[in-house]
Amino acid sequence: AQRVTQPEKLLSVFKGAPVELKCNYSYSGSPELFWYVQYSRQRLQLLLRHISRESIKGFTADLNKGETSFHLKKPFAQEEDSAMYYCALSGPSGGSYIPTFGRGTSLIVHP
Amino acid sequence: EAGVVQSPRYKIIEKKQPVAFWCNPISGHNTLYWYLQNLGQGPELLIRYENEEAVDDSQLPKDRFSAERLKGVDSTLKIQPAELGDSAVYLCASSLSVGETQYFGPGTRLLVL
Repeated sequence: AQRVTQPEKLLSVFKGAPVELKCNYSYSGSPELFWYVQYSRQRLQLLLRHISRESIKGFTADLNKGETSFHLKKPFAQEEDSAMYYCALSGPSGGSYIPTFGRGTSLIVHP
Repeated sequence: EAGVVQSPRYKIIEKKQPVAFWCNPISGHNTLYWYLQNLGQGPELLIRYENEEAVDDSQLPKDRFSAERLKGVDSTLKIQPAELGDSAVYLCASSLSVGETQYFGPGTRLLVL
């Protein structure tokens, strides 16, 4: 069964520090991987997806198939980056197509 | 564009009562998803629609949950009867097609007393 693991429930950093939110996945095939973000009092929204290879708000994520990881990185965190971040996987599996989300990591950026 | 619309935003009911949630996806989005999100967890898929057809509903507790998307546009998720453990946020999302970026609604926060 496919699975997404976000080992950190909470990540706390100071403004200007580098940030890495970890995401590991289990999937037999070539997955579509996404990072979604939820800012306070807002709805869940896409931050980036691996297929587009874009940098959004300074965040990047590289798909490492060997390590089955899709870690989210930003070199210099800003206070406005404080939010919940969810890693998600999409892909066919046994005739089904069930998007799978990690439990989320709460990022707090202190001034 | 209003994005994905959900109503109600909040609902408080007593156990054993029925409850229904409504979702209007983004115009033109063929795929519609209903998720359950418990506190401290990520969204978990309940059911996915491709137009009006329900697919991937294996995680929907069919003894008490039902859903419909009659004209392939808006959708309703129903629980009857509700149990205490159903207290959660129910999210609706839509995408152009399966595997594409999902656009989420604000969610309905359900509290069962």
